[in-house]
Amino acid sequence: AQSVAQPEDQVNVAEGNPLTVKCTYSVSGNPYLFWYVQYPNRGLQFLLKYITGDNLVKGSYGFEAEFNKSQTSFHLKKPSALVSDSALYFCAVRDGVKGFKTIFGAGTRLFVKA
Amino acid sequence: DADVTQTPRNRITKTGKRIMLECSQTKGHDRMYWYRQDPGLGLRLIYYSFDVKDINKGEISDGYSVSRQAQAKFSLSLESAIPNQTALYFCATSPGTSGKSHEQYFGPGTRLTVT
Repeated sequence: AQSVAQPEDQVNVAEGNPLTVKCTYSVSGNPYLFWYVQYPNRGLQFLLKYITGDNLVKGSYGFEAEFNKSQTSFHLKKPSALVSDSALYFCAVRDGVKGFKTIFGAGTRLFVKA
Repeated sequence: DADVTQTPRNRITKTGKRIMLECSQTKGHDRMYWYRQDPGLGLRLIYYSFDVKDINKGEISDGYSVSRQAQAKFSLSLESAIPNQTALYFCATSPGTSGKSHEQYFGPGTRLTVT
C-alpha cells in the first residue's frame, strides 16, 4: 500500500535562511512524487513533481526537491526563504505502475519569520 | 484557481439534512476528484471520475454520493449529513492523458459545518 509521512507538523525558519520540509514515502512500484502548497483560504497548488530522470527537480517559486531512492525520501528545499513562503505544504505519492490514486501526507506548516 | 470553481464556499447545515456541493471546471480535463481535508490528516479521496460514464469510490465514500453531469461538472452529495462530515472539501481535476496528467488542479474549497 502507498503511504506518505511528513514527520514535522511545523517548520520555523528565518527569512533568508535555507529551508527544508521533509517527506518519506512507501510504494510497491515506481514512485511518482509531488509537492503541493496551500495558502490560507485557497486550494492546493502544484509546486513540482518527480516522475523519472534527474533526482533533483526544480519547481515554482524557487523550490526544489531531491528524490532519494535508497532513503525513500523526497524533501522540499529552498536556498533562501521568504516570508511569503509561509503556508501549508503537502507531499504526495502515486504508484506509477499499479495505480492512479494519489496519497497525500498530513501536511507541514511552514512559518518564515522576518 | 479560477479554472476550478466550487459552490458554495461556506455552508452550515443541520444533522440529517441533504446537501450538495458543486464543482465546475473550464480546464477541459477528463478526470475529476472529490477530497476532504481534516486537520492533521491531509487529504482523503472520496470519489473520482475518469469521464462522464466512469465513477469510482475512493477511500472514504460512505455517506457520500456523486454525479458527473458533464465533463465540466462533478457534484458531491451528503444524503443525510452528520457532524463528523464537518470538513473542508476540495474538488480537483487532471488531464486524462498528457505530459501533465499526473498533476491535479484544485478548486478553492468548500468549508462545510454540520451542527
